[in-house]
Amino acid sequence: QKEVEQDPGPLSVPEGAIVSLNCTYSNSAFQYFMWYRQYSRKGPELLMYTYSSGNKEDGRFTAQVDKSSKYISLFIRDSQPSDSATYLCAMSHGNQFYFGTGTSLTVIP
Amino acid sequence: SAVISQKPSRDICQRGTSLTIQCQVDSQVTMMFWYRQQPGQSLTLIATANQGSEATYESGFVIDKFPISRPNLTFSTLTVSNMSPEDSSIYLCSVEDGVERAAYEQYFGPGTRLTVT
Repeated sequence: QKEVEQDPGPLSVPEGAIVSLNCTYSNSAFQYFMWYRQYSRKGPELLMYTYSSGNKEDGRFTAQVDKSSKYISLFIRDSQPSDSATYLCAMSHGNQFYFGTGTSLTVIP
Repeated sequence: SAVISQKPSRDICQRGTSLTIQCQVDSQVTMMFWYRQQPGQSLTLIATANQGSEATYESGFVIDKFPISRPNLTFSTLTVSNMSPEDSSIYLCSVEDGVERAAYEQYFGPGTRLTVT
């Protein structure tokens, strides 16, 4: 079983839609939960992080962590064509760090 | 956040040859890492580049295949040796800019896209 599972998509939505991206994990020791955005031919860019459980909001982006279900989500409100990218979840504990495979998102104008 | 550059941005190499990838950071950082990103797969940590000492390699990666240098706190190189088509991938340099080893403040370079023919 992989440490982190992420649906690779691709996901295609119309502009203005609410997007939900999700990851599941198996290791209950994970404490930090991150979302990275990766544009084509670029390196991953840290979008948001959450420590332990709960929600965190930053503009149009909301990150949720449900440790009881071992499930994390990233919501994008009022999605824009500029949000088209691959989104990678990541999580860590101690000095161990694990990435999901990434979900490819396209927002259609 | 740290600004990271990598050279070359892409290369096409013949099997059996070696390629050295450079990573330059605009500020001194404690931790530098090298990752591999293959299509459809998650980012895989190759090694941690330690300043002034030998790199720490993850399971499945060895120094003979991926020698790493880190002569100072702003620069590192990764060499992919005796390349085969299976080494075709994107290689990413990353740095940690946080207080502790928690990776939430890890920043990535633009990557080097390597194709081995």
